[in-house]
Amino acid sequence: NAGVTQTPKFRVLKTGQSMTLLCAQDMNHEYMYWYRQDPGMGLRLIHYSVGEGTTAKGEVPDGYNVSRLKKQNFLLGLESAAPSQTSVYFCASTIQRTGAYNSPLHFGNGTRLTVT
Amino acid sequence: GENVEQHPSTLSVQEGDSAVIKCTYSDSASNYFPWYKQELGKGPQLIIDIRSNVGEKKDQRIAVTLNKTAKHFSLHITETQPEDSAVYFCAASLMDTGRRALTFGSGTRLQVQP
Repeated sequence: NAGVTQTPKFRVLKTGQSMTLLCAQDMNHEYMYWYRQDPGMGLRLIHYSVGEGTTAKGEVPDGYNVSRLKKQNFLLGLESAAPSQTSVYFCASTIQRTGAYNSPLHFGNGTRLTVT
Repeated sequence: GENVEQHPSTLSVQEGDSAVIKCTYSDSASNYFPWYKQELGKGPQLIIDIRSNVGEKKDQRIAVTLNKTAKHFSLHITETQPEDSAVYFCAASLMDTGRRALTFGSGTRLQVQP
């Protein structure tokens, strides 16, 4: 059982370049999230999706776009990378159960992105 | 929106001692408080969680306490072992909304000295 898989694991971009980070989950989860992790700031929510074909903004959405064309995949795009987007990016997913509290977030192992 | 503050940012203890990490939250409507452990090079993993209708929860050497009035919750690790060394994150969420997204604290790096 692979869980949540993120590709690539590492990437270096030059300012202005574009790229897409892929997140795939094999647990049939409805909800998917993209977080970024920066030193001393914990994890901050970029975008999220509550189901196939839906996306919504989180706390820090500027400079990013997302798509959820298939239930198992959640893509994060950077159209024009900036040094401020140097970070570790984590994808997470969870199943939706109305009123359920015990549906933890399952995280991938992250993508380390450096923008020079 | 929700804001979660976490202290301390680093914590060093001797093996066998206890470790306590504290968090405060701002939104009184939040009703779910999980704790995650992140090992080097890995994503965070849930270790324990608590709902707002419970004051304390234990799971072997770890426990979490919640004070809704004061809006703070804490993680307690007893009889620490070297494998407890990691970064720990607290989080808060309102689970009744469609978003169900967690707001995380800034993390605590725990080092257990053998």
